[in-house]
Amino acid sequence: AQSVTQLDSQVPVFEEAPVELRCNYSSSVSVYLFWYVQYPNQGLQLLLKYLSGSTLVKGINGFEAEFNKSQTSFHLRKPSVHISDTAEYFCAVRSTGRVGGGYNKLIFGAGTRLAVHP
Amino acid sequence: DGGITQSPKYLFRKEGQNVTLSCEQNLNHDAMYWYRQDPGQGLRLIYYSQIVNDFQKGDIAEGYSVSREKKESFPLTVTSAQKNPTAFYLCASSDRRGGTDTQYFGPGTRLTVL
Repeated sequence: AQSVTQLDSQVPVFEEAPVELRCNYSSSVSVYLFWYVQYPNQGLQLLLKYLSGSTLVKGINGFEAEFNKSQTSFHLRKPSVHISDTAEYFCAVRSTGRVGGGYNKLIFGAGTRLAVHP
Repeated sequence: DGGITQSPKYLFRKEGQNVTLSCEQNLNHDAMYWYRQDPGQGLRLIYYSQIVNDFQKGDIAEGYSVSREKKESFPLTVTSAQKNPTAFYLCASSDRRGGTDTQYFGPGTRLTVL
């Protein structure tokens, strides 16, 4: 079974400052990793995903994340945030295998609320 | 444009009434999902369907029902048996070909029980 821990429930930051949103996961098998963003009263939008290959993944809106297998982490970063980045961010994990054609559940963290202040 | 649509955006219901939330996708995805989101919590899986005419219970299926008669559509009914239905409901779909099953989400329906 997998689990996801987002270490900060809220992250306040000033505009144009760098930000890191932390995500740790637990799994006994290899995984795919995802970051989603949710603006108020909207659905989730895929920011980026790690499937295989390079551990540094670039996504939309200037975000990037680094997969660290030894630390079981997938932290999200942005070098300079904008007011419009204010949103909730969700980290999610799913095992790579599909035993017997079955469904491997996408496991979400509880979310990190990023608040960008002028 | 390809995407997932959910309707209505806001829904109000009296206690004891059943309501049906619509989810449609034109991405040609085989799999579809329903999640519930409560304030301060992550997403919890209600039901999922990997193929037409088949669906499975998720973690919190009690008080909900679904159907999957068409590939494009996966409606969710919130029944009167659901004790605390006020929440934000999200529908998602994924392409099972290729194996990554990346999920894409609709805009959500906010259900309020009066």
